[in-house]
Order: sequence, then C-alpha cells, then structure tokens
Amino acid sequence: DIVMTQSPDSLAVSLGERATINCKSSQTVLHIYNNKNYLSWYQQKPGQPPKLLIYWASTRESGVPDRFSGSGSGTDFTLTISSLQAEDVAVYYCQQYYRSPPITFGQGTRLEI
Amino acid sequence: VQLVESGGGLVKPGGSLRLSCAASGFTFSNYGMNWVRQAPGKGLEWVSSISSSSSYVYYADSVEGRFSISRDNGKNSLYLQMNSLRAEDTAVYYCVRDVTIGTTPYYFDYWGQGTLVTVSS
Repeated sequence: DIVMTQSPDSLAVSLGERATINCKSSQTVLHIYNNKNYLSWYQQKPGQPPKLLIYWASTRESGVPDRFSGSGSGTDFTLTISSLQAEDVAVYYCQQYYRSPPITFGQGTRLEI
Repeated sequence: VQLVESGGGLVKPGGSLRLSCAASGFTFSNYGMNWVRQAPGKGLEWVSSISSSSSYVYYADSVEGRFSISRDNGKNSLYLQMNSLRAEDTAVYYCVRDVTIGTTPYYFDYWGQGTLVTVSS
C-alpha cells in the first residue's frame, strides 16, 4: 500500500498570511502514461464531512477559492493557502489514488489561526 | 447532490449492523460509490468501493470478510452490511461518491454527513 505522510501535524498561521501543508507518498503517484499525479486534497471543518479541494495534484474543484493551490510531482506535494481566512480553520488531508484500491489518506494537518 | 446515511447506532462486539445511504440529485447508476470511516478524533480510512453496475467491489484489509457493500440502482441506495463488529470499527461512516476512471475509484467529490457506529459492550 502507498503510505501518505503529511507535515506538519498542526500549524498556526496569522490571518492574511500564507499556509503551507506538505504531503509525501511512499512511492510515486505520477503516472508516466498520462503524466498525471494521482493525488487529491480535502478540507474538513469541525463537525462537517470532508470537502474536495484539489485533484490531479493541482486542479481546483469548482467553487473552491483561488487562494487554495496544489503543487508538486512524484512523491512530494504541497497545499498552499495564499492568504489565510478565518473560515479556512480545518483539518486538511491528502489522498492518493495511483494504487487504488486501497485508497489511502495522509494522517491530516490541523490548521489554526 | 445529496447523500443521506442511516442505520448507525450502538452494537455489541460480534454483532451486526446494516448502513444505508439514500442518494439524490444525480444519476446514481452512473457513479461508483464508497464508504469511508473516521474513528473519533482520528483521520480518514477508506472502507469499501462498488462500481456503478456492481461489477467491481473492493474492501480494505481491515474489513475484508466481515463487511459487504451493495447497491440498488432502482432505489438510488447504497448499503454496507457489517458483521462480526469489533471495538475498532467504532467510527462515523460516510457515504461518498467517487470519480471513477476504468474500474477503480479515484477521488471523492461528494460526501454525506455520516452516521455514527459505536461498538461497545
């Protein structure tokens, strides 16, 4: 199984500042056939189900604010929030779908103000 | 898109429970569906997937042989039959729609609110 490891486990960022969350996979999730990274990001606010933010490592889901961006390739990926808003307080998860099943998630990163 | 889970509750170790998910707002028969769980205060764990026509089903190793996923496209419903339940199965269980390419699920685009399953004596 592909193991996903996020860092840091928790992060405190001031309003308006940049937040960066990292995700590392135990093996590549880049498919050489189509040059796509099989990685997605989710946001889970307190008491709510997760919400899809990013897929194919960098494609923003419809309706997601453009302050959210995904980058990286191969085994190392980053979710960046360019200017933190109060409503961005949440736990963020990365997920790989390169070797599916099983689909595997990172352990989560808690983002606070 | 709406996904509404039901059937959670308190069950004793070794017991059984059947979860249901009622889907609406999209053509249910065109999409793969999944169950993903989250233990209290913990992260996300994929449990099981079923393809749009039920041709392909997949399970996490932790539930293989104990849980069974199924769907009824005529009723726009997804099910999870859980047998031989253990304390470590205690979690919120989410019904989740996926983006499937080929025969395997990729990423998850819609999630229900979840139903809590508690396994305790």
